[in-house]
Amino acid sequence: DAGVTQSPTHLIKTRGQHVTLRCSPISGHKSVSWYQQVLGQGPQFIFQYYEKEERGRGNFPDRFSARQFPNYSSELNVNALLLGDSALYLCASSFLGQSSYNEQFFGPGTRLTVL
Amino acid sequence: AQSVSQHNHHVILSEAASLELGCNYSYGGTVNLFWYVQYPGQHLQLLLKYFSGDPLVKGIKGFEAEFIKSKFSFNLRKPSVQWSDTAEYFCAVNPEGFQKLVFGTGTRLLVSP
Repeated sequence: DAGVTQSPTHLIKTRGQHVTLRCSPISGHKSVSWYQQVLGQGPQFIFQYYEKEERGRGNFPDRFSARQFPNYSSELNVNALLLGDSALYLCASSFLGQSSYNEQFFGPGTRLTVL
Repeated sequence: AQSVSQHNHHVILSEAASLELGCNYSYGGTVNLFWYVQYPGQHLQLLLKYFSGDPLVKGIKGFEAEFIKSKFSFNLRKPSVQWSDTAEYFCAVNPEGFQKLVFGTGTRLLVSP
């Protein structure tokens, strides 16, 4: 069984540009969460989506947005990129995404570098 | 706001030494607790978790952790480390009722053979 997959693996952008990162959850999982991991720090929660609806949002500016598709895959979009957006972006999927906690399985991440 | 503190940022041990990594969290409500490991070049993997019951939990690869509610702590232990335990270890908290994980800053463990 394939785990969580993310694309692209690496990405280089310049300040002010826009980026779209993609995530495919484990088959059968309906919830996707996004995390940002800046070098030397732990992952920080950005969004959680369950059944195509946003169920949670972390402390990130409106430049960050996401959506979930009918097949439960997800996209994270970041507009007007800043140098500080350089990080590893992690996607995690879980079977369910409401009420009690469901174990999250993490993908390999997308390494974004903003120059 | 919830936060997680890992006081040891870098730890260097020789093989067969004992390991204890500290983790303290700040949150007034009920939490679920986790330790994740990230081996070089690999993605985050769950080592162990605590939801309720026996505060001493055992995970994979000989790791265990103890939840001490009065100290808001969830320290990770292993009696005898191996070179293959070289990795970064993250403590994480899930506030009950939410799906998000709040991570600590991580501890880089280097085990020398």
